[in-house]
Amino acid sequence: DARVTQTPRHKVTEMGQEVTMRCQPILGHNTVFWYRQTMMQGLELLAYFRNRAPLDDSGMPKDRFSAEMPDATLATLKIQPSEPRDSAVYFCASGLVFLAGGSYNEQFFGPGTRLTVL
Amino acid sequence: SQELEQSPQSLIVQEGKNLTINCTSSKTLYGLYWYKQKYGEGLIFLMMLQKGGEEKSHEKITAKLDEKKQQSSLHITASQPSHAGIYLCGADIDYNQGGKLIFGQGTELSVKP
Repeated sequence: DARVTQTPRHKVTEMGQEVTMRCQPILGHNTVFWYRQTMMQGLELLAYFRNRAPLDDSGMPKDRFSAEMPDATLATLKIQPSEPRDSAVYFCASGLVFLAGGSYNEQFFGPGTRLTVL
Repeated sequence: SQELEQSPQSLIVQEGKNLTINCTSSKTLYGLYWYKQKYGEGLIFLMMLQKGGEEKSHEKITAKLDEKKQQSSLHITASQPSHAGIYLCGADIDYNQGGKLIFGQGTELSVKP
């Protein structure tokens, strides 16, 4: 039963600390997405990768957030330094995308990392 | 995203009643996806619509796509407590960015036994 895994599931940290979230996409998927979900903003796309190359990170605060895919089995999202406003649930999703526009783009979501920055 | 509006924001229905959730896009839809989320968990894919007039069903949930109105509706027949959760629509609105979805704010559904 293939699924996206994320670690940690919960993280409580203090303002100014570095936070690293990890995601293992489903084997064979070529696209990995990072989302942030809050009550106020809903589900927002932060960044995504195609075949490990970053395609779009315009949704991400560049000064403190960074996203990487060091290999096909691992995607990371790092916040340094963290701030209370970063408190949210961060989701990773993966999918197999063949074509642009009109293609079948089902995304499989991980369980999320619930981040609390005090 | 304001580009994708869901209504209503929340819904409380009696078990056994039917209900409809709407999702309207301000841009051309190249694909419309419905997901369900339970509190504290990830999103579960329900179904995907691509062509105008397309209708899909899964158990007691039916989704339709009205391409002209750039709108999709999700209809649940004879609701059950297991249907409770947050329903989100996601849309592929950029032809050249295959895979990138924007999401509506979600509709929180409660089903009273």
